[in-house]
Amino acid sequence: GQNIDQPTEMTATEGAIVQINCTYQTSGFNGLFWYQQHAGEAPTFLSYNVLDGLEEKGRFSSFLSRSKGYSYLLLKELQMKDSASYLCAVSFNRDDKIIFGKGTRLHILP
Amino acid sequence: DAGVTQSPTHLIKTRGQQVTLRCSPKSGHDTVSWYQQALGQGPQFIFQYYEEEERQRGNFPDRFSGHQFPNYSSELNVNALLLGDSALYLCASSLDRLAGYNEQFFGPGTRLTVL
Repeated sequence: GQNIDQPTEMTATEGAIVQINCTYQTSGFNGLFWYQQHAGEAPTFLSYNVLDGLEEKGRFSSFLSRSKGYSYLLLKELQMKDSASYLCAVSFNRDDKIIFGKGTRLHILP
Repeated sequence: DAGVTQSPTHLIKTRGQQVTLRCSPKSGHDTVSWYQQALGQGPQFIFQYYEEEERQRGNFPDRFSGHQFPNYSSELNVNALLLGDSALYLCASSLDRLAGYNEQFFGPGTRLTVL
């Protein structure tokens, strides 16, 4: 199978930094997505990584290591509105089908 | 510019019934994917439609079928509903792969409850 693994839940404090990890099987890997999903809402696109390295976009950054089958999403200067689920998703074999992880529920404490 | 729209927002059905969910893609998009998201889980890929044909399919039984119309809108049909079909059904649209990746834009979803 094409398993995507990420922690179920994480807690962080407002203003702090948090890193959400994601691991996947490397065979057939094409690209990796991160989505944010607030409770009861649709996922919204955050980032896409296809090459190794760090992609920075404001307070959010995403890192990819293709050889290790590993990615992380880094959230800086956390705000209460960042409380949400963060979904790691991978496309394989240049298919348009995207396989999602179960999501990491992030709780932000004041 | 309208984003992805889905109807209805909520739906309650009983076991054994049939349901049809609808999706209109974002303007300019030609590809529609359907996902099932159970509570506390990530979205699970059902299938994808392009040029009015099913192009990819996930691990879902034949009770799940779909259709894409010439205007790129799509329907998801589920027959013989089971309790386990209760979930949020998400539609995502994208433009057929040109640059190597397809950013998918999600609709608000249809919450299906099977009693």
